[in-house]
Amino acid sequence: QKEVEQDPGPLSVPEGAIVSLNCTYSNSAFQYFMWYRQYSRKGPELLMYTYSSGNKEDGRFTAQVDKSSKYISLFIRDSQPSDSATYLCAMSSVFSGGYNKLIFGAGTRLAVHP
Amino acid sequence: DADVTQTPRNRITKTGKRIMLECSQTKGHDRMYWYRQDPGLGLRLIYYSFDVKDINKGEISDGYSVSRQAQAKFSLSLESAIPNQTALYFCATSDLTGTGKTGELFFGEGSRLTVL
Repeated sequence: QKEVEQDPGPLSVPEGAIVSLNCTYSNSAFQYFMWYRQYSRKGPELLMYTYSSGNKEDGRFTAQVDKSSKYISLFIRDSQPSDSATYLCAMSSVFSGGYNKLIFGAGTRLAVHP
Repeated sequence: DADVTQTPRNRITKTGKRIMLECSQTKGHDRMYWYRQDPGLGLRLIYYSFDVKDINKGEISDGYSVSRQAQAKFSLSLESAIPNQTALYFCATSDLTGTGKTGELFFGEGSRLTVL
């Protein structure tokens, strides 16, 4: 069983839709949760970062962490064609000192059509 | 110019050939990483380096080697390429002394390698 599971999609939605992207994980030691966005032929870029449980909002994007269920989500409101990309969740248990080992999900490919 | 530059961007080679992928960065970060990305498997760490004198294996280092020539340069070599090393390879950097997005990885644009 993978430490981080993510549905690869593809997910196709109309412009303006609310998108929900999710990951589940098995390691209860994870405390840092991230979402990276990767456009075609580009490297991933950090989109959202959350420590421990709770919600974090940034514009149209909301990251949600439910540690009791080992489940994280990324919501995109009023989705735009420019949101079309692959979204990778990533998580880690340690960020201070040592190596901050990030475990990535496989990525969900999202297409927002006009 | 990109902060993290990878060369070549695309490479096709044959089984048994030696291949080097190069990475240079202008972000001034100490930590550099090599990942490979395969469909359905996500990003997996090959090697990482905390400074010029520090090299560490990641989860899938077999068949790969690295060289940290300078703070800004980190190269990945495939000594004898095989077809299952066909993948998209990413170099990344990070700086743990940053605030806010501690541990954020900054990726290059990738090097697509095909081994025939």
